[in-house]
Amino acid sequence: NAGVTQTPKFRILKIGQSMTLQCTQDMNHNYMYWYRQDPGMGLKLIYYSVGAGITDKGEVPNGYNVSRSTTEDFPLRLELAAPSQTSVYFCASGEGRAGSEAFFGQGTRLTVV
Amino acid sequence: DAKTTQPNSMESNEEEPVHLPCNHSTISGTDYIHWYRQLPSQGPEYVIHGLTSNVNNRMASLAIAEDRKSSTLILHRATLRDAAVYYCILTILRDDKIIFGKGTRLHILP
Repeated sequence: NAGVTQTPKFRILKIGQSMTLQCTQDMNHNYMYWYRQDPGMGLKLIYYSVGAGITDKGEVPNGYNVSRSTTEDFPLRLELAAPSQTSVYFCASGEGRAGSEAFFGQGTRLTVV
Repeated sequence: DAKTTQPNSMESNEEEPVHLPCNHSTISGTDYIHWYRQLPSQGPEYVIHGLTSNVNNRMASLAIAEDRKSSTLILHRATLRDAAVYYCILTILRDDKIIFGKGTRLHILP
């Protein structure tokens, strides 16, 4: 039962570097989400997708890009890393119906120095 | 967007019931009430959800007020493993997003 898998688990980036956080799910869910969680705070929605080829901005999209070429994968791209992007990033997936549950990955802890 | 209000933190003794309140006074008729919890250093996990009627599952019970403007998550017998941040969220039929609030940090005292 893989569920939602995020890689890498940890990463240290230098200011200005780029990287892609990977997220894949094996539940055939149409809906996928990316969140960030700063220390001691709640989760903020970065981007979400309601199906392959469709993405939309969440609460805090600046500095990030996403793509959804397949149902399974929803990578999050940081183009020019900044210290303000130091956070824990969570990916989630779900059926998208209002009464359905979302499943979360274990997170990627990113530090930008 | 319909929002929820929760206390910042609560304490409970181990092996006693815990009642976690949530206010959602602007809830609409088709909005579901979901509860998630986040254990330390983990991603959020689903706990329970409901629309109008009270709900029970193996983890918890959800009591929904008759006017739906508030709800209460009930942990029947808290253990130390239940120490977590509990989030009350409204999932809205007309909205594809899942927006988290600040949640309630539950401390369990041995």
